[in-house]
Amino acid sequence: QKEVEQDPGPLSVPEGAIVSLNCTYSNSAFQYFMWYRQYSRKGPELLMYTYSSGNKEDGRFTAQVDKSSKYISLFIRDSQPSDSATYLCAMSSQGGSEKLVFGKGTKLTVNP
Amino acid sequence: GAGVSQSPSNKVTEKGKDVELRCDPISGHTALYWYRQSLGQGLEFLIYFQGNSAPDKSGLPSDRFSAERTGGSVSTLTIQRTQQEDSAVYLCASSRHRAGPVYEQYFGPGTRLTVT
Repeated sequence: QKEVEQDPGPLSVPEGAIVSLNCTYSNSAFQYFMWYRQYSRKGPELLMYTYSSGNKEDGRFTAQVDKSSKYISLFIRDSQPSDSATYLCAMSSQGGSEKLVFGKGTKLTVNP
Repeated sequence: GAGVSQSPSNKVTEKGKDVELRCDPISGHTALYWYRQSLGQGLEFLIYFQGNSAPDKSGLPSDRFSAERTGGSVSTLTIQRTQQEDSAVYLCASSRHRAGPVYEQYFGPGTRLTVT
């Protein structure tokens, strides 16, 4: 079993839809949870991070962490064509100052 | 300001040849990471440099892979006797020293390596 599992999709939604992306993990030492967005032929960029369990909201994006279930989610409200990208979850036990463990990424397409 | 830069952007090499990939981190960033992203796979950690500490080489897949970081800045990832399974995008990232809960790793655009 991989440390981090993420459905690669692809996921295709109409503009304005609510998108739900998620990852599961097996290592209970993970405390820092991140979502990266990667456009085609570009490096990933950090979207959001959360520490331990709970929710965090930033504009149209909401990140949720449920440590008891070892499950994290990213919700995108009012999705836009510019949100079309691959979304990677990443995790660390030490706040990102060491190696991150990534999911495979979910490819999202938002259709106008 | 300038982000993380990597060169070359694309590299095609023959099986068995050696290749060098270069990473220029963001100025002032003390931590530098190399990852590999193969088709259909997530990012796979390779090696991590932090200041003058010994690097964490735990992700290097074989002894054909090595990396160095000169003067705490530029890093070179070397792959000797390349194999077709080495074909991937090699990504470099850098981050600041710990000053908060999470360090954002800033990624470069990657080097796309194709071994024929």
